[in-house]
Amino acid sequence: QKEVEQNSGPLSVPEGAIASLNCTYSDRGSQSFFWYRQYSGKSPELIMSIYSNGDKEDGRFTAQLNKASQYVSLLIRDSQPSDSATYLCAVNDNTGTASKLTFGTGTRLQVTL
Amino acid sequence: DGGITQSPKYLFRKEGQNVTLSCEQNLNHDAMYWYRQDPGQGLRLIYYSQIVNDFQKGDIAEGYSVSREKKESFPLTVTSAQKNPTAFYLCASIRGHWSSGNTIYFGEGSWLTVV
Repeated sequence: QKEVEQNSGPLSVPEGAIASLNCTYSDRGSQSFFWYRQYSGKSPELIMSIYSNGDKEDGRFTAQLNKASQYVSLLIRDSQPSDSATYLCAVNDNTGTASKLTFGTGTRLQVTL
Repeated sequence: DGGITQSPKYLFRKEGQNVTLSCEQNLNHDAMYWYRQDPGQGLRLIYYSQIVNDFQKGDIAEGYSVSREKKESFPLTVTSAQKNPTAFYLCASIRGHWSSGNTIYFGEGSWLTVV
């Protein structure tokens, strides 16, 4: 079974610091990678998507992809208490005619004052 | 406003009872998905459907059933065969494929508890 691995945390960072979240995946054929933020009891919301090797920046968020190492990461600069949530890594799985996402178990981030 | 509506938000099931979770979307999306999330866990795929009248099993389909009679609707039935159904259930949809850069939309989720 194709797998997406994340450290469950919690990852604790002080306010204003950089939070670094990591994810590895098992399927070398994966083409699309996503980071979702999920607050407790709520549905996930898309933070970033990345499709090619390198960095992609959007505001305080930077996604990094290294397909050779099967590794994708999310950096959050100037972390705020409102960033405290669980961050889910998701990888696409194109099987036959269908496309679906496989999710990691998530990393819980705590931004402390 | 366009979006995905899940109902009910909270549902209690007695032992041996079947229950159905509703998922309706007015986004004209082709593909729809049901995920299950247990506390402190990621999302696991139950069933998905790419087109009307067709659906496929995901990773944890046992004890669940679905139908896709209309493009807008993808109800999930949790049957009595599902021995541990207490979880948060999420419905999602997308217009095309994940790799085309399309955005996935999630419903607000349904909490199912066995009593």
